[in-house]
Amino acid sequence: DGGITQSPKYLFRKEGQNVTLSCEQNLNHDAMYWYRQDPGQGLRLIYYSQIVNDFQKGDIAEGYSVSREKKESFPLTVTSAQKNPTAFYLCASSPPPSGKWDTQYFGPGTRLTVL
Amino acid sequence: SQQGEEDPQALSIQEGENATMNCSYKTSINNLQWYRQNSGRGLVHLILIRSNEREKHSGRLRVTLDTSKKSSSLLITASRAADTASYFCATDNNQGGKLIFGQGTELSVKP
Repeated sequence: DGGITQSPKYLFRKEGQNVTLSCEQNLNHDAMYWYRQDPGQGLRLIYYSQIVNDFQKGDIAEGYSVSREKKESFPLTVTSAQKNPTAFYLCASSPPPSGKWDTQYFGPGTRLTVL
Repeated sequence: SQQGEEDPQALSIQEGENATMNCSYKTSINNLQWYRQNSGRGLVHLILIRSNEREKHSGRLRVTLDTSKKSSSLLITASRAADTASYFCATDNNQGGKLIFGQGTELSVKP
């Protein structure tokens, strides 16, 4: 099955700990994205990557880090510098510009709770 | 900052009725998309309308785009309980691959 997966589904973190959220896709998409969603809110872009070994900050990158060593993987680390990390995190990917320009395909999400 | 603003924030209707959600945006766009999110799940792409299109249909969905008013609407006809979800509009904002999402409309369809 082709798709985009995120793990874990639920993640609990103690204050002061770094945690890494996994995002994997086998759609052969070039671009990948991380979003944060707070209750009753829309999505805010954390980081995005248009190509392997390259990524850019989104609107709320502070306290987060990413890597893009492989085309199919785009892990997100939530560091202790992120003051309010409790949220729902969504990963997405999109193919190169084509007839479906900019359509994004989303994973099922990871719910992170800071204890 | 959020470009798309959906209206209403919440909508409750009976099964069989039509549901209309609106989205306004601020800058020029290449296209506008609508996504659906079931509670606690990822988003699913519904429909994309390009800036040179005025109306588009997909099954029970009808999307309109008015670039002069910088607004779009999503109409779901003959709604079903399974349509209960949050609906988001997203615009590309001419920034190549980045989408900007609105706050969403929470739709509840009562059986």
